[in-house]
Amino acid sequence: DTAVSQTPKYLVTQMGNDKSIKCEQNLGHDTMYWYKQDSKKFLKIMFSYNNKELIINETVPNRFSPKSPDKAHLNLHINSLELGDSAVYFCASSQVSGGGATQYFGPGTRLTVL
Amino acid sequence: KQEVTQIPAALSVPEGENLVLNCSFTDSAIYNLQWFRQDPGKGLTSLLLIQSSQREQTSGRLNASLDKSSGRSTLYIAASQPGDSATYLCAVISSGSARQLTFGSGTQLTVLP
Repeated sequence: DTAVSQTPKYLVTQMGNDKSIKCEQNLGHDTMYWYKQDSKKFLKIMFSYNNKELIINETVPNRFSPKSPDKAHLNLHINSLELGDSAVYFCASSQVSGGGATQYFGPGTRLTVL
Repeated sequence: KQEVTQIPAALSVPEGENLVLNCSFTDSAIYNLQWFRQDPGKGLTSLLLIQSSQREQTSGRLNASLDKSSGRSTLYIAASQPGDSATYLCAVISSGSARQLTFGSGTQLTVLP
């Protein structure tokens, strides 16, 4: 019954490694997002996809590459992990893009880079 | 660039009290404003969404108001309960083409039994 799910919930890895976080929504929404919540608890948008197409790409290093195989999935791949990448990453979805619809969030993935 | 501020950063109240959480934003050209709740180790839950043309929204014991011209919103929680303990986040969507959420840093609420 989970609306927006993410795996894994926790991820601990060494600097320089490549890792992926998966996100799936079963709400039938057209738009999906990735957010980063840093140690000061600020949530910032990273990417937004609408029907598998990128519509928002904030100033995120190109080590971060989102991939949307279909509109129910938006995975986040991170290359050459750095200490500063440690954060909680949230996936979200909404029925439509454009900001008018409520966003539904996943439980988050806590990434720790050692 | 839109900035969202929430005051106070933390608040502790005894059960049963009515309380107000504050949110301010620097650019009044917003599309809508949303209040979320975040429980430890969990994602965000949307509580209320106020369109820019609205002044307030109510859901149960929650009431959110919006004063766009002054760049302020408040979340009123009536008859607080220990289960209300969580971090409350305010977020706005600006009217520009990006239409993305800009979050405040949240108010951590503790309701003491």
